[in-house]
Amino acid sequence: GQQLNQSPQSMFIQEGEDVSMNCTSSSIFNTWLWYKQDPGEGPVLLIALYKAGELTSNGRLTAQFGITRKDSFLNISASIPSDVGIYFCAGVYNFNKFYFGSGTKLNVKP
Amino acid sequence: DVKVTQSSRYLVKRTGEKVFLECVQDMDHENMFWYRQDPGLGLRLIYFSYDVKMKEKGDIPEGYSVSREKKERFSLILESASTNQTSMYLCASSPDSYNEQFFGPGTRLTVL
Repeated sequence: GQQLNQSPQSMFIQEGEDVSMNCTSSSIFNTWLWYKQDPGEGPVLLIALYKAGELTSNGRLTAQFGITRKDSFLNISASIPSDVGIYFCAGVYNFNKFYFGSGTKLNVKP
Repeated sequence: DVKVTQSSRYLVKRTGEKVFLECVQDMDHENMFWYRQDPGLGLRLIYFSYDVKMKEKGDIPEGYSVSREKKERFSLILESASTNQTSMYLCASSPDSYNEQFFGPGTRLTVL
């Protein structure tokens, strides 16, 4: 299947720090999605990006759809303990072709 | 708000048992998906369905089957459960009209 390279695999940061993670692919996507998964729960959609170059914010979260349509990044500013979890990117061709990154595990030290 | 529900949060079954995992969505979405999630392997697509009674194999369909008799319900069936099917199973749905997929809370299945 399609490969999405998500990095970093894990991060250990201090509360209050900013965080950045990204996904890259060799293929072009029409949509990029970012999810957060809490332990023992299903992924929850954080941000959806539909247009190359688009920059979208959701509270302390900011995500961008790369100009080449082959990458996306997610930034979290001023991290707090409840940001702990696994963050996934997904690249989408169309309504039934979703490809997921392997996840970035975020740990926040109070 | 989109709601995707799964019949059980935790399930323990014995090797050889037939297992049914149920998923229901309330947003009239055309597409429904079953994934399994294992540490280090990420999300792997088992099957998806783009319409009632329609299904397509994903990346790892072996040992699984699915049923979609009604638009809102998508069932995953393990014909004869094996220990290597111990995993977290996630159901998701998406509409045709825009590219977003919504997940249920997951079912953690243990096969002894």
